[in-house]
Amino acid sequence: GQQLNQSPQSMFIQEGEDVSMNCTSSSIFNTWLWYKQDPGEGPVLLIALYKAGELTSNGRLTAQFGITRKDSFLNISASIPSDVGIYFCAGPPQGGSEKLVFGKGTKLTVNP
Amino acid sequence: GAVVSQHPSWVICKSGTSVKIECRSLDFQATTMFWYRQFPKQSLMLMATSNEGSKATYEQGVEKDKFLINHASLTLSTLTVTSAHPEDSSFYICSARPLAGGVDTQYFGPGTRLTVL
Repeated sequence: GQQLNQSPQSMFIQEGEDVSMNCTSSSIFNTWLWYKQDPGEGPVLLIALYKAGELTSNGRLTAQFGITRKDSFLNISASIPSDVGIYFCAGPPQGGSEKLVFGKGTKLTVNP
Repeated sequence: GAVVSQHPSWVICKSGTSVKIECRSLDFQATTMFWYRQFPKQSLMLMATSNEGSKATYEQGVEKDKFLINHASLTLSTLTVTSAHPEDSSFYICSARPLAGGVDTQYFGPGTRLTVL
């Protein structure tokens, strides 16, 4: 099936730094979703992207839908301690539009 | 709005017993609910898609006789892990999609931590 490759696997940064992570696929996705999961909780949707080239912001978060439709990027500016968590990209695989396939996640640690 | 609850939040059981996990959409109706499994430091893996009033659709490799899913109403789906074994220990997460909702409107529950001794 279609897989999403996320990188980096983990990041350790200082409070105030900017963060960038990405997600790639060998197949085209028509929708890209970015979620955050806190420890022991379910994922929460941060940003949804629907069109190639789209750039969308949600507060300090900005995500982009790659023009090839095979990748997406998430940036966090001026990180704060509560940004700690695991960030997942996800999208509906071709032929199974109601399902979601998830990347393996990027674990973010922010040092105060 | 769009709150999904799971019960219990954690459960410990003996090998060979069955465990039922409930997933409820509290403030909306959901024709479709999804069940995921997440192993430590791993991603969410879809186990099955549950549609109200019909049989669940299981992903390849997921035993339907072991993971029984019942979606009896528009606000409740249950996952029963039958004859649980230690390898079934995992974090089980459900999500619910509102009526007429799209792929970006899956609302996730807080998860259930299952430990099988």
